[in-house]
Amino acid sequence: DTAVSQTPKYLVTQMGNDKSIKCEQNLGHDTMYWYKQDSKKFLKIMFSYNNKELIINETVPNRFSPKSPDKAHLNLHINSLELGDSAVYFCASSQLPDSSSGNTIYFGEGSWLTVV
Amino acid sequence: DAKTTQPPSMDCAEGRAANLPCNHSTISGNEYVYWYRQIHSQGPQYIIHGLKNNETNEMASLIITEDRKSSTLILPHATLRDTAVYYCIRLKYGNKLVFGAGTILRVKS
Repeated sequence: DTAVSQTPKYLVTQMGNDKSIKCEQNLGHDTMYWYKQDSKKFLKIMFSYNNKELIINETVPNRFSPKSPDKAHLNLHINSLELGDSAVYFCASSQLPDSSSGNTIYFGEGSWLTVV
Repeated sequence: DAKTTQPPSMDCAEGRAANLPCNHSTISGNEYVYWYRQIHSQGPQYIIHGLKNNETNEMASLIITEDRKSSTLILPHATLRDTAVYYCIRLKYGNKLVFGAGTILRVKS
């Protein structure tokens, strides 16, 4: 069983469309995240949720809206897609949000988004 | 701003130990040092972490200097499957992992 699973793995869509990426974790973790890896390969955090509540929201355009229906799911919805949104999006989860506990983050396999 | 410094790339012969250095000279007392790796086209994978003491698990060993300003990740017997980008990360408050450019490790037969 995959611990953190994302769908779809590949997504090609036109500019202006709205799309969603789904994420589910079966680790029983309380915290989930979305990271973005751009063409330069840098990984940056976008959002994190703890018990369905938003706790980290980096400088991300309002077109990106995470939704957490329950602790095991964190979906990413993107409105009015732009060329610059093309990237790999990684979902992740951890037991706790507190860094002092030596928490470990588990990542999904990524969703390759290409906007044309 | 990852605040860790790693060499951009390293080569290692298969079966030999791979020693990956990381400089984190401004690390705070309560910041952990984490190592993750990313194999091509996969999500980042946790390897090991430490605070002050050296650590070892089934994947690797982590040696942290006494002043905590640098550390070394050791893969004792590197295999071709260990070819990946290795990230040394200081874990900030709120679990906000900040990834730098990492070190591309190429294990060669």
